Amino acid sequence: GEDVEQSLFLSVREGDSSVINCTYTDSSSTYLYWYKQEPGAGLQLLTYIFSNMDMKQDQRLTVLLNKKDKHLSLRIADTQTGDSAIYFCAESSYNQGGKLIFGQGTELSVKP
Amino acid sequence: GAVVSQHPSRVICKSGTSVKIECRSLDFQATTMFWYRQFPKQSLMLMATSNEGSKATYEQGVEKDKFLINHASLTLSTLTVTSAHPEDSSFYICSAREERVVGTEAFFGQGTRLTVV
Repeated sequence: GEDVEQSLFLSVREGDSSVINCTYTDSSSTYLYWYKQEPGAGLQLLTYIFSNMDMKQDQRLTVLLNKKDKHLSLRIADTQTGDSAIYFCAESSYNQGGKLIFGQGTELSVKP
Repeated sequence: GAVVSQHPSRVICKSGTSVKIECRSLDFQATTMFWYRQFPKQSLMLMATSNEGSKATYEQGVEKDKFLINHASLTLSTLTVTSAHPEDSSFYICSAREERVVGTEAFFGQGTRLTVV
């Protein structure tokens, strides 16, 4: 089946940039998403990118998509302690009927 | 963004009993709702996709008789865990999408922590 992979942990210092990486296997992916999950909570959509784009910027967030390599990244500028959470990459495609396939999640730890 | 409300947020039940979890779209009509299960420190596992007015589509390995899904209206889907056992203890999250269109945002509920004792 289709697969989405992420590294499990990332630790950065407050004020630095964080880059969370994701790879996926579905060549027919249409949309790719980044979600944030805080402890005991549901998922908050941070941003998403259509597969014909290679970059999207939204305030401190920058998403880069390399469709050829099937690689997606999320850059958080000026990372704050409140950004500490688990970040999930997800993809959807017409082949999958619109359902989201999630990566394992990357736990971001921001140290003061 | 749109709001999806999930209730209850936490529930503890005895082994052998059934538990119902509700997922409501508060300000839009959700033609499709998804139910996920999440184990600690793990990703979300899609359990089933429910479309209003039709039977849910279950993912491979998910017991449809154990996890009953009803999507009777455009704003409400329910997941009933029947004859719950301790191994059913998990975090259950629903999401709702306004249209049957890829790329429209899927909004998530806040999740339900089920503990079966």
